[in-house]
Amino acid sequence: DAKTTQPTSMDCAEGRAANLPCNHSTISGNEYVYWYRQIHSQGPQYIIHGLKNNETNEMASLIITEDRKSSTLILPHATLRDTAVYYCIVRAPGDAGNMLTFGGGTRLMVKP
Amino acid sequence: EAGVAQSPRYKIIEKRQSVAFWCNPISGHATLYWYQQILGQGPKLLIQFQNNGVVDDSQLPKDRFSAERLKGVDSTLKIQPAKLEDSAVYLCASSPSRGNYGYTFGSGTRLTVV
Repeated sequence: DAKTTQPTSMDCAEGRAANLPCNHSTISGNEYVYWYRQIHSQGPQYIIHGLKNNETNEMASLIITEDRKSSTLILPHATLRDTAVYYCIVRAPGDAGNMLTFGGGTRLMVKP
Repeated sequence: EAGVAQSPRYKIIEKRQSVAFWCNPISGHATLYWYQQILGQGPKLLIQFQNNGVVDDSQLPKDRFSAERLKGVDSTLKIQPAKLEDSAVYLCASSPSRGNYGYTFGSGTRLTVV
């Protein structure tokens, strides 16, 4: 599996965009980038995933660099409810075990 | 759509006692996962089911942990006997099929072993 590197923690002001980086320099051609988040006392929640094109849904946008070695999750207008741990995971369909492996993630604190 | 249901929400037991956790996945989801999350760490996979069969239990401490999904729907995870280091949140997740990584997680069961 391609490894991912994320900052341990980040702060963001409420109402501003939160940009969460993820480095995955060893990603291979068929591996997708997945983002999950985990709000305190809840299970992880799927946010978005992408292969090479940028993706957007009602929760967030995912920007993947052209060489696919890094990506950024963007929460366009962060609210206090977005305070959570954000996990970036790289997986390909059919990877051994077909399961998600979570690292330490980025702890995002949205401040008033 | 109903989410993944887990019970109980919290459990406190003494070491060497046994405990069981229950999970009801999203209707129609073939794949079910149990994860263990120790405080301050990311979730760690314990076992993966495809319908009622075990696909991967390589991370399950089989001397004390067991899990089943007899009818391919809900699942039970058991610990017997519990150790102090089993204190963690036990998360259940489901997905429509293997290789579909859009999992839906339950809220978990927080286990404290004293």
